[in-house]
Amino acid sequence: DMKVTQMPRYLIKRMGENVLLECGQDMSHETMYWYRQDPGLGLQLIYISYDVDSNSEGDIPKGYRVSRKKREHFSLILDSAKTNQTSVYFCASSLSGGQNTLYFGAGTRLSVL
Amino acid sequence: QQKVQQSPESLTVSEGAMASLNCTFSDGTSNNFRWYRQHSAKGLEVLVSIFSDGEKEEGRFTAHLNRANLHVSLHIREPQPSDSAVYLCAVSGGSSGNKLIFGIGTLLSVKP
Repeated sequence: DMKVTQMPRYLIKRMGENVLLECGQDMSHETMYWYRQDPGLGLQLIYISYDVDSNSEGDIPKGYRVSRKKREHFSLILDSAKTNQTSVYFCASSLSGGQNTLYFGAGTRLSVL
Repeated sequence: QQKVQQSPESLTVSEGAMASLNCTFSDGTSNNFRWYRQHSAKGLEVLVSIFSDGEKEEGRFTAHLNRANLHVSLHIREPQPSDSAVYLCAVSGGSSGNKLIFGIGTLLSVKP
């Protein structure tokens, strides 16, 4: 069963704390993505990873960094979280970087207080 | 830059009646169009992908693409209450290259 798994599903942090969001996929997809979704703004691309240690900024990378040390695992890190990073974060994966279907995880709802 | 807009913002239909959702895009050279469904507090699932003008059917879901009119639509035949969700249009190709640009979505409610 093809799956993208995100952990945790819900997270509450205080401003200034570090945040680690984790994502795994079992489809051996080369490309993985992190998006955030906010009301009225839709899905915005934060980072894209084309394979292990091959990461590129998306449209809104400021305040975020990523790590991909294994093909099946992609992490999003917020160093010193800010209140405006409260959002729902989605991880996705796809075959190669072309125009293939993106498969999404269930999301992590992050609240930064 | 590619702009993707969806209408209506919300739509209520009765169970069994056809539901029609609209999506307009700004770049007529785009060539990859997908409709996703997002149930509350869940991830996105792809419903139908279409790459050329005309119609593409996947079960009860049919997409219609008219690139000259910068328009792609989704029609849901015999909608059920379980189809109540947010429907997202996503476009890539053309000036946006491989990057998928999403609309904000249409909230569909299906009443029994």
